[in-house]
Amino acid sequence: GAVVSQHPSRVICKSGTSVKIECRSLDFQATTMFWYRQFPKQSLMLMATSNEGSKATYEQGVEKDKFLINHASLTLSTLTVTSAHPEDSSFYICSASRGADTGELFFGEGSRLTVL
Amino acid sequence: AQKITQTQPGMFVQEKEAVTLDCTYDTSDQSYGLFWYKQPSSGEMIFLIYQGSYDEQNATEGRYSLNFQKARKSANLVISASQLGDSAMYFCAMREYSGAGSYQLTFGKGTKLSVIP
Repeated sequence: GAVVSQHPSRVICKSGTSVKIECRSLDFQATTMFWYRQFPKQSLMLMATSNEGSKATYEQGVEKDKFLINHASLTLSTLTVTSAHPEDSSFYICSASRGADTGELFFGEGSRLTVL
Repeated sequence: AQKITQTQPGMFVQEKEAVTLDCTYDTSDQSYGLFWYKQPSSGEMIFLIYQGSYDEQNATEGRYSLNFQKARKSANLVISASQLGDSAMYFCAMREYSGAGSYQLTFGKGTKLSVIP
């Protein structure tokens, strides 16, 4: 089946630094990628929808200047947490789809961010 | 109102028994998709099963089956012959078309399934 790879799986950074998380579709072209955030023991909350070649669509309450999303190619989307603070510590998961009619979304392994 | 409701925060099932995880949804769209995902402690989201709103037959994938009752807006997951490795969080999700060629996936709060030996 299709594979989505996310990197890094774990990252620890100091407060005030920026962290970039990559999401790659390894064997298909992903026209749309989604970024989710998951707090402990909670569900996945959609942060933004990323379409190749266009600006990401952010959900209400998500700061677009803090969570920069770039979808420069059909196989790569990146999420950059800028000037990270401890409250940004969370599990971030990306997912990718081959197209709107595809029944299945493919998820990355997730990235656990800890901001000290 | 919540779009996806999973009323069971936690469930226990004896090994080799079947278990049903509840999911109800709320949408005014005619075309939508319903998903179930498994999330073990490692955090990875594992796709289990998909049901399209126009699919007349209930979806099945191995030990997983989806009991789709469109009029009641429910999409319960049935796991037959539970195994210890089935212990995990299970999320129900719905995909709706959000316009301009894009769509959105909304997750329920999840059900934690524990399989007892």
